[in-house]
Amino acid sequence: SQQGEEDPQALSIQEGENATMNCSYKTSINNLQWYRQNSGRGLVHLILIRSNEREKHSGRLRVTLDTSKKSSSLLITASRAADTASYFCATPSRAGTALIFGKGTTLSVSS
Amino acid sequence: EAGVAQSPRYKIIEKRQSVAFWCNPISGHATLYWYQQILGQGPKLLIQFQNNGVVDDSQLPKDRFSAERLKGVDSTLKIQPAKLEDSAVYLCASSSIGGRGTETQYFGPGTRLLVL
Repeated sequence: SQQGEEDPQALSIQEGENATMNCSYKTSINNLQWYRQNSGRGLVHLILIRSNEREKHSGRLRVTLDTSKKSSSLLITASRAADTASYFCATPSRAGTALIFGKGTTLSVSS
Repeated sequence: EAGVAQSPRYKIIEKRQSVAFWCNPISGHATLYWYQQILGQGPKLLIQFQNNGVVDDSQLPKDRFSAERLKGVDSTLKIQPAKLEDSAVYLCASSSIGGRGTETQYFGPGTRLLVL
């Protein structure tokens, strides 16, 4: 069953703009991960945020987690054409052994 | 460090035929996962191995799908017989420590299967 759901489904921006995508999930979690998928590099891990963290940064990425609202957001600042990809949030399965992915947000960055 | 290797990269078969996919995880990674990704959706776990034992195969259609990881290293996923709805990308991933979904998973390039 789908745990996380990303919003929006698709996002188109210009280079240099910021991109924000959101993820909502249904059950309590101990962490949430974001992954990126493009045709060139496949599915790649971006960042993991634990349930006791509210915000985390990695380069141009900023992730927030609000466990009371069961939601997370991924902000990409100063977007580049190379950021064009699909972005997925992933949460641990109920058994805690694997990841459940959402349907993803497709980001298109034009120059 | 070499990444997760998968083969073949592409496969076209007719329905009711059988097909097998191969995965070699990152050296030393104890946990191996097979995911199915249908176009427009996120990956869905099919099976998880910890060394050569199955941890979770609850979403594996066992009437037609099978997987093994005999020596705790590489793995094969088989579909027999294939159906049209099996058309998807099959992703293999590995992680260094099994368990609580807290580890980074490293994905291979996937095998794109088309069933006609």
